[in-house]
Amino acid sequence: QSALTQPASVSGSPGQSITISCTGTSSDVGSYNLVSWYQQHPGKAPKLMIYEVSKRPSGVSNRFSGSKSGNTASLTISGLQAEDEADYYCCSYAGSSTFAFGTGTKVTVL
Amino acid sequence: EVQLVESGGGLVKPGGSLRLSCAASGFTFSSYSMNWVRQAPGKGLEWVSSISSSSSYIYYADSVKGRFTISRDNAKNSLYLQMNSLRAEDTAVYYCASDIVGATPGDYWGQGTLVTVSS
Repeated sequence: QSALTQPASVSGSPGQSITISCTGTSSDVGSYNLVSWYQQHPGKAPKLMIYEVSKRPSGVSNRFSGSKSGNTASLTISGLQAEDEADYYCCSYAGSSTFAFGTGTKVTVL
Repeated sequence: EVQLVESGGGLVKPGGSLRLSCAASGFTFSSYSMNWVRQAPGKGLEWVSSISSSSSYIYYADSVKGRFTISRDNAKNSLYLQMNSLRAEDTAVYYCASDIVGATPGDYWGQGTLVTVSS
């Protein structure tokens, strides 16, 4: 259950698009299409933004999209808005009914 | 509306025990797996444990295996985490989370309860 690797920080101006990477291994991200992404504002509980690599739960803006290639998953936020400033965590099923989270990425809207 | 409300956190000495509870409402609790996820102060998220809808399948992170026990009472719409032999590194906010959409450590989350292990 090793942590997946994310960049510590990503920034962008309002209206721009940013992409957050999430690198795992062939035992987790690379083996399963079960990557999810969470948004967490300070002092708040995480919120599910993407599940099964690219599916959006009801109510989540279509500005958020997910993808995967090999052992790396990605979250793209298009049309960046001030309210998108938060911490983002990826998560992958890691086999044997366990999950591995990413190290987290702080998104700053300039 | 799905609601998850944790309780039972607090200050406990190393080696001590604590039992967390999570009251669920707004969905058919007995039909879905549930999880505990924790977050140490200023740190990232860590999956702790999962339990299937009927309690038939239970899983733990290596970091808590043998010390923590997850359970549920479907008649009371409640999830529990019994934590024994607590260590300083168990200090964290503990979140209860549902797995309704499937194959995630949480789609709906509670507000969390803080557990502090310190002498």
